[in-house]
Amino acid sequence: GDSVTQMEGPVTLSEEAFLTINCTYTATGYPSLFWYVQYPGEGLQLLLKATKADDKGSNKGFEATYRKETTSFHLEKGSVQVSDSAVYFCALSDPGSGTYKYIFGTGTRLKVLA
Amino acid sequence: DVKVTQSSRYLVKRTGEKVFLECVQDMDHENMFWYRQDPGLGLRLIYFSYDVKMKEKGDIPEGYSVSREKKERFSLILESASTNQTSMYLCASSFQAGGRGGRETQYFGPGTRLLVL
Repeated sequence: GDSVTQMEGPVTLSEEAFLTINCTYTATGYPSLFWYVQYPGEGLQLLLKATKADDKGSNKGFEATYRKETTSFHLEKGSVQVSDSAVYFCALSDPGSGTYKYIFGTGTRLKVLA
Repeated sequence: DVKVTQSSRYLVKRTGEKVFLECVQDMDHENMFWYRQDPGLGLRLIYFSYDVKMKEKGDIPEGYSVSREKKERFSLILESASTNQTSMYLCASSFQAGGRGGRETQYFGPGTRLLVL
């Protein structure tokens, strides 16, 4: 079945460092891919998404490119801030598989130090 | 702004109690979801509803039931709470956009942290 694998955390960076959080997926059809962020004490909120191959999602300085050839959707940011400290979830939705489900990765905790 | 609200942020219950978690969304979304979030396991789907009175089991429905009598409200019921149901519970909603599943963004509530003693 469909699945999402993302890198284990926690990831600890200094302010202004470059961030990459890896995410790979398996899917039977042509999924949409999402990154959600969860700040402390809150629910998840959409960070960015891409609905087809080679699409790039971007928001708040974060970017991710839908790479069908490597089945990946890695999250990047050029210069992180303390306020980016949160848990990041990669997710997919594959309507072509005949299911309504959204599949989430296990989450990667990011801690940014001043 | 889309708003998904959950009835409680924190809840403490005793083993064997019946527990109701309520979720309300204000965007006329067709789909609503209940997840539980546990460290190292990510989000796991408990139940899903794609219309009023319609529901489907997710990956871990055992010990839970749901109710959707109105489009905006989706309730999760723990018939007889057990300690292994101590967890964070997240409600979400989304548009259907022509299909039950899809490419639509899910909008989440703030979560209910449930402790069963």
